[in-house]
Amino acid sequence: SQTIHQWPATLVQPVGSPLSLECTVEGTSNPNLYWYRQAAGRGLQLLFYSVGIGQISSEVPQNLSASRPQDRQFILSSKKLLLSDSGFYLCAWSISDLAKNIQYFGAGTRLSVL
Amino acid sequence: GESVGLHLPTLSVQEGDNSIINCAYSNSASDYFIWYKQESGKGPQFIIDIRSNMDKRQGQRVTVLLNKTVKHLSLQIAATQPGDSAVYFCASAGGGADGLTFGKGTHLIIQP
Repeated sequence: SQTIHQWPATLVQPVGSPLSLECTVEGTSNPNLYWYRQAAGRGLQLLFYSVGIGQISSEVPQNLSASRPQDRQFILSSKKLLLSDSGFYLCAWSISDLAKNIQYFGAGTRLSVL
Repeated sequence: GESVGLHLPTLSVQEGDNSIINCAYSNSASDYFIWYKQESGKGPQFIIDIRSNMDKRQGQRVTVLLNKTVKHLSLQIAATQPGDSAVYFCASAGGGADGLTFGKGTHLIIQP
């Protein structure tokens, strides 16, 4: 069966520090991968998605970037965090099948920028 | 652009009663819809999906209804249990690889 791992679960970082959140998927090949951010009491905002290694689409211009160095690895980064980067970050995957787009989510990383 | 919203931010129901959570979408080109359940501090969990060529789909204790005429869908939970307490999100997609558009969510509260 497929599983998705995100780490760390919680992170407290000072303003101006770098960020690296990692997400890996097991049990499937060539998945579509996604990064979302969820502000408190709000819905999910799509940040990046990837349909293959090295292919990244950005949905929202911001202080963050994403990379996909391996087929089942998706990394969310920042060179200098802002207070507004605080939130709950979720990684998700879906099969590369255009007929359906069920996305399966990881447990999330709660980031607090102080 | 696409927007997906929910009619009520909070829904309180008695344990054992049926729950109905509503969702409206704006993009008539959306052809795929998903309901997710998110418990506190966790990632969203897939519940049920429906494509635009259907108007009803049933799962275990859940039913999703889609009304394309008024761009509205609902999630019905039968015999609500304490474990159903969570935030429920509807999401829409155009069927491609890009991400889903989520509504803000409805917090379902179960009264004993």
